[in-house]
Amino acid sequence: GNSVTQMEGPVTLSEEAFLTINCTYTATGYPSLFWYVQYPGEGLQLLLKATKADDKGSNKGFEATYRKETTSFHLEKGSVQVSDSAVYFCALSDSGGGADGLTFGKGTHLIIQP
Amino acid sequence: SAVISQKPSRDICQRGTSLTIQCQVDSQVTMMFWYRQQPGQSLTLIATANQGSEATYESGFVIDKFPISRPNLTFSTLTVSNMSPEDSSIYLCSVGRGSDQYFGPGTRLLVL
Repeated sequence: GNSVTQMEGPVTLSEEAFLTINCTYTATGYPSLFWYVQYPGEGLQLLLKATKADDKGSNKGFEATYRKETTSFHLEKGSVQVSDSAVYFCALSDSGGGADGLTFGKGTHLIIQP
Repeated sequence: SAVISQKPSRDICQRGTSLTIQCQVDSQVTMMFWYRQQPGQSLTLIATANQGSEATYESGFVIDKFPISRPNLTFSTLTVSNMSPEDSSIYLCSVGRGSDQYFGPGTRLLVL
């Protein structure tokens, strides 16, 4: 079956540092890949997505590239802010995400210190 | 996107009782999903609910424990039956729209 593995947290960085959160997946076929973010006290929000190999999803300064050869979808941001402190989930869907349930990683708690 | 509400937002229940969680979306959708997020864990899909058909359950989840209704294209309910402390979790509904999936705020359940 499908699975998603992402780096364990918490990850603690200083403001303006470079961020990478690793995500690798196992799936048959060609899944769609997603990053969701859960800010403290809030619900789960779609951050970005990519639906085919070599696609780059981007939003709010975050980027992730769908790498089929390494089955990875690492999340990056060049300069993090305190407001980026949240839990980040990598997820995949066999289809486009609107028609199938998602398989989630365990989540990475990111803490940004001023 | 989609505006999704859930009721109740949280509840404390006694073991052996049942709780029904409601999920309302602001416009019609075909696909609705129910997930569970146990403390400190990731989200796990419970079932997929299409309007007018029986819900499809994932491995490890059964209809007797988690009956689901989907009476129309904007509403669904999940019942957690005969609860035990192991059912203490956050329960989330989500909807599929285009190639994306959007989540409700969740229902935080504590079973004593």
